This record gives sequence, structure tokens and C-alpha cells, in this order.
Amino acid sequence: QSVLTQPPSVSGAPGQRVTISCTGSSSNFGAGYDVHWYRQLPGTAPKLLIFGNNNRPSGVPDRFSGSKSGTSASLAITGLQGDDEADYYCQSYDYSLSAWVFGGGTKLTVL
Amino acid sequence: EVQLLESGGGLVQPGGSLRLSCAASGFTFSLYAMSWVRQAPGKGLEWVSGISGNGLSPYQPDSVKGRFTVSRDNSKNTLYLQMNSLSAEDTATYYCARVPGAGVFFDYWGQGTLVTVSS
Repeated sequence: QSVLTQPPSVSGAPGQRVTISCTGSSSNFGAGYDVHWYRQLPGTAPKLLIFGNNNRPSGVPDRFSGSKSGTSASLAITGLQGDDEADYYCQSYDYSLSAWVFGGGTKLTVL
Repeated sequence: EVQLLESGGGLVQPGGSLRLSCAASGFTFSLYAMSWVRQAPGKGLEWVSGISGNGLSPYQPDSVKGRFTVSRDNSKNTLYLQMNSLSAEDTATYYCARVPGAGVFFDYWGQGTLVTVSS
């Protein structure tokens, strides 16, 4: 059971917009800790996609955006492409656990 | 270019020990906190250890406290993870990751090293 809750899977057609939710609690998002997102292509290491709720590292296209409100966060991907198929993880810090925590991951399928 | 290269994984028997290494290059290693994150086969990500840039402040979740020890040698630009009393639940790919500045996230990851605990 992950501290942060994500849907196991989402899907969308090429060109569409999809969102991935991430639900936390009062000891992480609700305490003001930011959400960060990672993308993991099959057989590869995770890669930072969004940091500090809605900041993109250099090289990440603006098709990817993030948001956080209260104890929930979400990642939005517009203009879906075939190579967006991957696992997506949200991450934050939890002060009650004194630990960095991840969501269980969401598998994105491009139809 | 930031590079992180893990090594030391392999097959170990239950109750055994293993030490992982992560060689860093492309940045001033001592200025960054570092962490280890693991991923069991087919499962999600789990943070297992972190250490400050000067090596004086290691930190770990309760799930591995007392069994895993993180350390670093800034003269060798290398991060370590000593793992003891291993069980099948520790079978995973172990990634080292850089923690930028005052952030609480991971901006660069290594390619990972697989640890298999089995008799």
C-alpha cells in the first residue's frame, strides 16, 4: 500500500489529453510538501519529469504539466504520442514517516 | 554530463550481505545529497536510504533501518549501500539518485543494479 495513491492505469488516443491523479494526506501534500513526477520507460531507470508541483527540467516538453491542490495532485499530458507509453510515478516527502514517498505508479497506454 | 553508475548487485543467499557502489561523475559530488531507491520486479519505487553531501547525516526509512547503511567517499566520488540480513523481500533493482540543492526530489538516476536474494 503506497502512501501516495495513483490509478493503476490510464489510456488515451494519440493527440488526446490525459491526466494522472495522485492523492496524498495531511502529512505530505497537506503539510505543504511539493509533488514531483517521474517517467519510466520499459526497462529503463526513472527520469524526472516535473519538480516542485509544476516545473519542467530542461528538455521536457510543455505537453507535460503538473498541479497540486490540498492533498491531491495531478499530471496532465496533452498531444499524446506513442512514445509517451510508460509508467508514471508521483513523489513527495512525508513528515510523519520522515521518508520520501512514492505513488504506486500509473501505466499509460496510448491506444 | 551527470553520470551515475551502480555496481555490486548479484545473487545472495537469505541472511547474507552485499555492498552496492555508485560512481558519480559530471558534477561536484560533495555538494549534493544522494539517495538509494529500489524497485522490486514488476513493482513501484521505494526510497531506502539518503545521505547529506558531507556524509555526516545519513537517513533511512524504518523498513531498512538497522539493516542498511549508506555512506559515501567524496574523495572517490562514490556512494555506497551496505545491506545486511537480506531477505527475499529485498530482491529489487537498486538505483542511486542525486538530490538537487534544497530539493526533496531526485534529478538524476543511475541505470540500476539488480540484487536477487534467493537460496
